[in-house]
Amino acid sequence: DGGITQSPKYLFRKEGQNVTLSCEQNLNHDAMYWYRQDPGQGLRLIYYSQIVNDFQKGDIAEGYSVSREKKESFPLTVTSAQKNPTAFYLCASMEWTGRYNEQFFGPGTRLTVL
Amino acid sequence: AQTVTQSQPEMSVQEAETVTLSCTYDTSESDYYLFWYKQPPSRQMILVIRQEAYKQQNATENRFSVNFQKAAKSFSLKISDSQLGDAAMYFCAYRRSSDDMRFGAGTRLTVKP
Repeated sequence: DGGITQSPKYLFRKEGQNVTLSCEQNLNHDAMYWYRQDPGQGLRLIYYSQIVNDFQKGDIAEGYSVSREKKESFPLTVTSAQKNPTAFYLCASMEWTGRYNEQFFGPGTRLTVL
Repeated sequence: AQTVTQSQPEMSVQEAETVTLSCTYDTSESDYYLFWYKQPPSRQMILVIRQEAYKQQNATENRFSVNFQKAAKSFSLKISDSQLGDAAMYFCAYRRSSDDMRFGAGTRLTVKP
């Protein structure tokens, strides 16, 4: 089945450690996105990529990094510079060439800093 | 920057009744797209309905319909014959044709049996 997978579902990190969240899609979509979801704040854009080897910062990129070496993969690294990383993280993808397209979402990763 | 406002943090509806969730947005663009997403307790985001701004006809998907008022920049979601499975967070979203998507803060819908 076509879709987006995120792993792991739950992730625990000690303060001061970097951690990488995985996002893979087999929808052949050009664009991929990372969002952070906190209670009462909806989804906030961290980074997005419209094409391989290119990505742009979203509204809250500080303390995060990404790479886009393959069309199917868009991993997100939460660095020790991120002051409050505990949150729910959602990855999404979209067919960029279509104007009227929605974003498809993965099941999410819950990150907790201990 | 475009903003999306959902003024109702929580709503409740009796099973089989109708409920309307509100959404307003701020934009100076004329060409854009609007979406309603549902996030059930599983937290999987699911597209409910979408609307192109240049279309005057309101979109409908089975029990879900929208009231799109372009001049007022309003995009409300009506759920008819509410079911227990409709209980979820609902997010309104806006996107320009060549831009990323902007989400509102969400409305938590409770369905009472």
